[in-house]
Amino acid sequence: AQTVTQSQPEMSVQEAETVTLSCTYDTSENNYYLFWYKQPPSRQMILVIRQEAYKQQNATENRFSVNFQKAAKSFSLKISDSQLGDTAMYFCASTGANSKLTFGKGITLSVRP
Amino acid sequence: NAGVTQTPKFRILKIGQSMTLQCAQDMNHNYMYWYRQDPGMGLKLIYYSVGAGITDKGEVPNGYNVSRSTTEDFPLRLELAAPSQTSVYFCAVHGVNTGELFFGEGSRLTVL
Repeated sequence: AQTVTQSQPEMSVQEAETVTLSCTYDTSENNYYLFWYKQPPSRQMILVIRQEAYKQQNATENRFSVNFQKAAKSFSLKISDSQLGDTAMYFCASTGANSKLTFGKGITLSVRP
Repeated sequence: NAGVTQTPKFRILKIGQSMTLQCAQDMNHNYMYWYRQDPGMGLKLIYYSVGAGITDKGEVPNGYNVSRSTTEDFPLRLELAAPSQTSVYFCAVHGVNTGELFFGEGSRLTVL
């Protein structure tokens, strides 16, 4: 069975500082994607960043970047220059058979002014 | 271009009532999914479909049914609502080229 583990239930960061959210996963798939989704209080699911497992280069999207360690099955998200609008719940997810996504339990991130 | 549209956005049911959550997409993608999200938790897969006429169970299918008669629509039916089905329900469509899921806005269901 595919599993995604986010062991930190919540984190807090000062505005303009950097924060890293941790995620580990387990999959039997040879080719898969990894994602970080953001869920603000509006409950909308917003894609933050995507990593294809066969690519060694870590994905980057503006202030968001990942540290993908395939052998360790680790996929952490780094948010630089944190902004108040980054306050949300963040979910790590990986694809399995039939492109089904398995999600972690999420982490609540609070950005302090 | 609406993407993924879910209705209703909110609903309160009494125990034992039935209802259908509607999901429609205009992206012409084959793979569609229904997830539920309990408070403070991640999303769990209820049912999915890889194309019209094909559906399969996910992780938590008990108490639900689905159908997929067209590419565009993927309704989720609750036959005998129970308090344990109080949750937020998300419909999603798989983007073939990017691998990501595109989500509807969610439907908050309360069973009293």
